[in-house]
Amino acid sequence: LLTQSPDLQSVSPKQKVTITCRASLSIGNSVHWYQQKPDQSPKLLINYESESISGVPSRFSGSGGGSGRDFSLTIDGLEPEDAATYYCHQSSSLPITFGQGTRLE
Amino acid sequence: EMQLLESGGGLGQPGGSLRLSCAASGFTFSNFLMSWVRQAPGKGLEWVAGITASGAVTNYADFVKGRFVVSRDNSKNTLYLQMNNLRTDDTATFYCARGQFSLSYSPFDLWGPGTLVTVSS
Repeated sequence: LLTQSPDLQSVSPKQKVTITCRASLSIGNSVHWYQQKPDQSPKLLINYESESISGVPSRFSGSGGGSGRDFSLTIDGLEPEDAATYYCHQSSSLPITFGQGTRLE
Repeated sequence: EMQLLESGGGLGQPGGSLRLSCAASGFTFSNFLMSWVRQAPGKGLEWVAGITASGAVTNYADFVKGRFVVSRDNSKNTLYLQMNNLRTDDTATFYCARGQFSLSYSPFDLWGPGTLVTVSS
């Protein structure tokens, strides 16, 4: 089970925001982050906790607490186009699961 | 350009069947584990099923076990999802998604635009 917080956050341009994802069991570093805009399919932002994806702006970064259970996605310097829902996802064990999503508005 | 394109969605009856397809192009389809992920209207993402690159191993979420079957035809670069005994709570947009490896689950780095399945009488 992956639990994200917050569920919803109101944000402003240039702000720094952090979304957290807590796993019920240790999943190592097998957590990945996606951005989904309305009526679009999800887009991979960060994989394996902190590895950046080619083409994704550098204001997106991922980190973990070392416990294998606590992870964060940080957007440093929000842009208007970052308004979206963000999901964490674990590929460590079956069933594959996603967090419930965090909507930034 | 690497692409996934789902088809086969539409209106299904409770207890009925639908078959979804996902056509892959622009990459070597037979090298990658593939999954189906669904999203009910206004809700989050749910993994439904996955299949290894060769098709030898399939895995399912508990809520579709015994009702849905995932398969692939690597000669046609196509992934399938046979959905039987449909329920109203299967109403969702179904996405096919590509993993990064052939045998193990990993980030989904390529997604299709999705196909909407509506289950209603």
